[in-house]
Formats: sequence, C-alpha cells, structure tokens
Amino acid sequence: DAKTTQPNSMESNEEEPVHLPCNHSTISGTDYIHWYRQLPSQGPEYVIHGLTSNVNNRMASLAIAEDRKSSTLILHRATLRDAAVYYCILKQNSGYSTLTFGKGTMLLVSP
Amino acid sequence: EAEVAQSPRYKITEKSQAVAFWCDPISGHATLYWYRQILGQGPELLVQFQDESVVDDSQLPKDRFSAERLKGVDSTLKIQPAELGDSAMYLCASSRLTFPSYEQYFGPGTRLTVT
Repeated sequence: DAKTTQPNSMESNEEEPVHLPCNHSTISGTDYIHWYRQLPSQGPEYVIHGLTSNVNNRMASLAIAEDRKSSTLILHRATLRDAAVYYCILKQNSGYSTLTFGKGTMLLVSP
Repeated sequence: EAEVAQSPRYKITEKSQAVAFWCDPISGHATLYWYRQILGQGPELLVQFQDESVVDDSQLPKDRFSAERLKGVDSTLKIQPAELGDSAMYLCASSRLTFPSYEQYFGPGTRLTVT
C-alpha cells in the first residue's frame, strides 16, 4: 500500500482556517485520497475524499496537488469540536480495498 | 441518521477468559469491517466481510480470534482466550460497497480491558 506522511500535531485558534497537509509521493494513478477524523473516545468519522480534482463538502475542502503527490485538508473556520486526530489515507482502486490508517495529525484548537 | 451499533461499549475481562463483541451495521451495507485500535495508534483492520463471506482476514490472529456474519447482517467478533495484549478499542465499520469511492461508517467501539 502507498504510504502517507502527516505532521504529528498542529495547533489552531478557533474561527481561523486550518490547513492539514499530507504527503503521498508514491501514490498510484488510481488511488483515492480519503480523510477521516477521530474525536476523543469516538470511532473515526468520514470527512472527504477525492481522486484528482479539488473537492468541497459541508465539513471541509480537499485540495489535491496537480501531480497528486500531496494534498491538503482545509477546515474553513475551526471550532473547538474540530479538535481530533485527522487521518489521510490512500484507498486502492482494486478488489476489496480498505483503509490503512497511520498515526494521523492531532489537531488542537484553542478558544 | 442511521448508525453502526456496537455492544458492549466497555468490557473488562480476566486473562484466559472468552469475550465477544457484537456489531449491527447500517441497513443495506454489504461490507462490514472489524478494526482494533491500540491507544495512540490508528485503527488496524482485523477482518473484512462482503455479505456473509470473509474477504480479508490476513491480520486476524486466528489462533484466538474468530469472526462471523452468518446472515450477512450483524456480526460477532470473539476472543478466546483473552491475553493482556488484547486490551484495545475494537471498532466495527460498514460501507455500502468496497469500491474506493465509498466511505466507511464507524461505530462507537468497544473498549476492552484484560486484567
């Protein structure tokens, strides 16, 4: 499986935008980029996914580099409830593909 | 909004005892996953079902762990005998299909403590 690299932790202030980076230099042409987050004492929660184009949904935006070797999850206005571990995961477009979680980025949000 | 249900939420058991976890996926979801999450790490896949069939159990310690999804709906994960190193969060997830564009929905997990 292609691997991703994320910072261990990041800090933000409430109501400010947050840009969470992810490097995936060995991504294959058909791998999807998924982001999940895990709030304290809860199961992971789907955030967003994309293949080549930038994506927006009600939770966040995903910006994918033109060469697809990196991506950025953007939270437009961080709230205290966004404090969580964010996982960037490559999902293969083959067979019974699943999610391989790394350690993710712990996002701390200050009031 | 439909959710993945898991029970129990917490379980304390002694070493060498048997323990079982139950998961009820979102209705209509063909694919069901069991993950184990050790504190401070990301979840690790133990077993994946497509309907009632196991499609990936390569990381399941088969000498002590077993999983079934008899009617292709709810599922049970069993550990016998439990060991101290099995203390972890056990997460169940489901998705409509396994295609990479489909997201997984996770339950709240079962926190297992083995003493």
